[in-house]
Amino acid sequence: AQKVTQAQTEISVVEKEDVTLDCVYETRDTTYYLFWYKQPPSGELVFLIRRNSFDEQNEISGRYSWNFQKSTSSFNFTITASQVVDSAVYFCALTPPIYNQGGKLIFGQGTELSVKP
Amino acid sequence: EPEVTQTPSHQVTQMGQEVILRCVPISNHLYFYWYRQILGQKVEFLVSFYNNEISEKSEIFDDQFSVERPDGSNFTLKIRSTKLEDSAMYFCASSVTGIYNEQFFGPGTRLTVL
Repeated sequence: AQKVTQAQTEISVVEKEDVTLDCVYETRDTTYYLFWYKQPPSGELVFLIRRNSFDEQNEISGRYSWNFQKSTSSFNFTITASQVVDSAVYFCALTPPIYNQGGKLIFGQGTELSVKP
Repeated sequence: EPEVTQTPSHQVTQMGQEVILRCVPISNHLYFYWYRQILGQKVEFLVSFYNNEISEKSEIFDDQFSVERPDGSNFTLKIRSTKLEDSAMYFCASSVTGIYNEQFFGPGTRLTVL
């Protein structure tokens, strides 16, 4: 079975602090995709990144970076120099095996990040 | 930039009534999905739809639920007889090629069952 765990329910930081959101996943499959989505207070789900299981290179996009470690089944997300606009719920998600072409997303519980000025 | 749209944004209904939630996916996308999020909880998969048929459904998606693509643009979720526990935010999503691409989500429909 596939599962995503985001152990941090809530994180509160002060603006300009760096913050890391943890994501641990479980799957028996060797091929899968991992995602991060952001849900701001307005409620929509905004795609941030997609990673396939064969690509363990870390990725950086502006203040955002992602660390994928297959050995620990983790796909952590770091925001550098956090801003108030980063306040949101962040979801990590997993897509099951490649032969399931439908690609349903299995979400973690989400981490609510609050960035205070 | 193309986006997924959903109507209505908020639907209030009485228990036992039928509701239809509507979605217009991005036009060149081939895979369509419904998810739901009970207030304060995680997002849960309901159903995926491809080539005019359901490709996968979750345990939540029982006989009270159905999906349809009545024309070339709309994608609907029908709940035949709503229950109190159906109260949730329902998100529609679409993707170009299923697993190989990210899913783009609509803004959601908040369903309140009284």
